[in-house]
Amino acid sequence: TQLLEQSPQFLSIQEGENLTVYCNSSSVFSSLQWYRQEPGEGPVLLVTVVTGGEVKKLKRLTFQFGDARKDSSLHITAAQPGDTGLYLCAGRTSGTYKYIFGTGTRLKVLA
Amino acid sequence: DVKVTQSSRYLVKRTGEKVFLECVQDMDHENMFWYRQDPGLGLRLIYFSYDVKMKEKGDIPEGYSVSREKKERFSLILESASTNQTSMYLCASSLRFGSGRARNTGELFFGEGSRLTVL
Repeated sequence: TQLLEQSPQFLSIQEGENLTVYCNSSSVFSSLQWYRQEPGEGPVLLVTVVTGGEVKKLKRLTFQFGDARKDSSLHITAAQPGDTGLYLCAGRTSGTYKYIFGTGTRLKVLA
Repeated sequence: DVKVTQSSRYLVKRTGEKVFLECVQDMDHENMFWYRQDPGLGLRLIYFSYDVKMKEKGDIPEGYSVSREKKERFSLILESASTNQTSMYLCASSLRFGSGRARNTGELFFGEGSRLTVL
């Protein structure tokens, strides 16, 4: 069974701090996505990365896909309370329909 | 605004009851998925459908079945609910992978979830 390990599992930080969430696997993915889920809602896509070494920025969020396409990171600069939520990574291998989801990182940003 | 709608936000059922969870999408998506979400386990795929009347088992299909009679609707059925099926159930849809339709990023669009408690 393919696994996507996310770390840390929980993170509680003060507003204005920086943080990084990691998503690691032994499998190679053709694409990797990051989603954010808020309480009472379904996950919402933040970004898709498809090329090894790719870096994408979404305002204060920076996403990186590992060179070997087995891992990814999400870095948030100057976190704000609105960043609070559950962050999920999801990888898909070539030729399949299945997304393998990570275990999730629950982030709380305190004002 | 694109939407995936799940029929029930909260359900409480008794062991042995038959449970239907309905999901409707208005985006003309080919793919539809049912996941369950449990703390510390992330999202696990129960079933997937890539076309009307077509279905594929996911990672944890035991105790579940599905129905896709129309493109926009994907139903999850628990034939005889058990307490270990207490969970959050999420429906999602997406364009067919590799589709030439504009902006096909492989994005999954999720419903708000159905929280099922089996007593």
